[in-house]
Amino acid sequence: EPEVTQTPSHQVTQMGQEVILRCVPISNHLYFYWYRQILGQKVEFLVSFYNNEISEKSEIFDDQFSVERPDGSNFTLKIRSTKLEDSAMYFCASGAGNTQPQHFGDGTRLSIL
Amino acid sequence: QKEVEQNSGPLSVPEGAIASLNCTYSDRGSQSFFWYRQYSGKSPELIMSIYSNGDKEDGRFTAQLNKASQYVSLLIRDSQPSDSATYLCAVADSGGYQKVTFGTGTKLQVIP
Repeated sequence: EPEVTQTPSHQVTQMGQEVILRCVPISNHLYFYWYRQILGQKVEFLVSFYNNEISEKSEIFDDQFSVERPDGSNFTLKIRSTKLEDSAMYFCASGAGNTQPQHFGDGTRLSIL
Repeated sequence: QKEVEQNSGPLSVPEGAIASLNCTYSDRGSQSFFWYRQYSGKSPELIMSIYSNGDKEDGRFTAQLNKASQYVSLLIRDSQPSDSATYLCAVADSGGYQKVTFGTGTKLQVIP
C-alpha cells in the first residue's frame, strides 16, 4: 500500500539554526499538509498546499516557516531560526482530494537544544 | 476558533466488550469527519471516514454521525488489547482544502 515517507525520523538542532524536514507524499495525491504535535498535546494543523501554492495556514505558521515542492515528488517544511518551543513531532500528510482522508507519514521528531 | 471536543479518558473496557468513543464539534458547516488511531510515539492512522448522517460500518468499527447534534462517535466491537491506543476525532473545516481540526484524543485501554 502506498505511504507517505518522511525524513529524517529524528533531527537534533541547535537553537537559532535552520532545519528542513522532508516528505514524499503518496504519488497520485494532490493535497499536501504539515501538522505538528508537541509532546502530550493534540495534533495541530500548520499548512495545506495545493496546485503549487499554500491554500491555507494556521496562526502557528508565521514567517519562520515555509513550504516548498521543489520537484514532482518532494514536499518540504523549512523552519528558520529555530526556537526551543519548536521541539515537536512534525507530520506530513497527503490526500487525493479536498474531501478525501489525509494519510500521515511516520513523522520527524525535532529536538531543539 | 473551531473546536473538536473529546473526553481524554482513559476509557477502560474488558477484552471482548464494546468501546464507545464520542466527539463533538463546533463548526456547523463541516461535512467530513475522520477517526484516527494513534499508538504512543507513532503517527495517526486512519480508521474511518464518514460524511453522511447515520452509521458506517467497517469490520469491528462503526462510525456514527449526527450533524444536527454536531456529534460523531466510534464504536469498537469485540475490543482487543491491540486496540489500546489514543483515538483521535478529526473534523474538516467547512472552508475547504481539508484543513482538519483534531480533538485531544481519547485514550482507550482494553483489559485482557
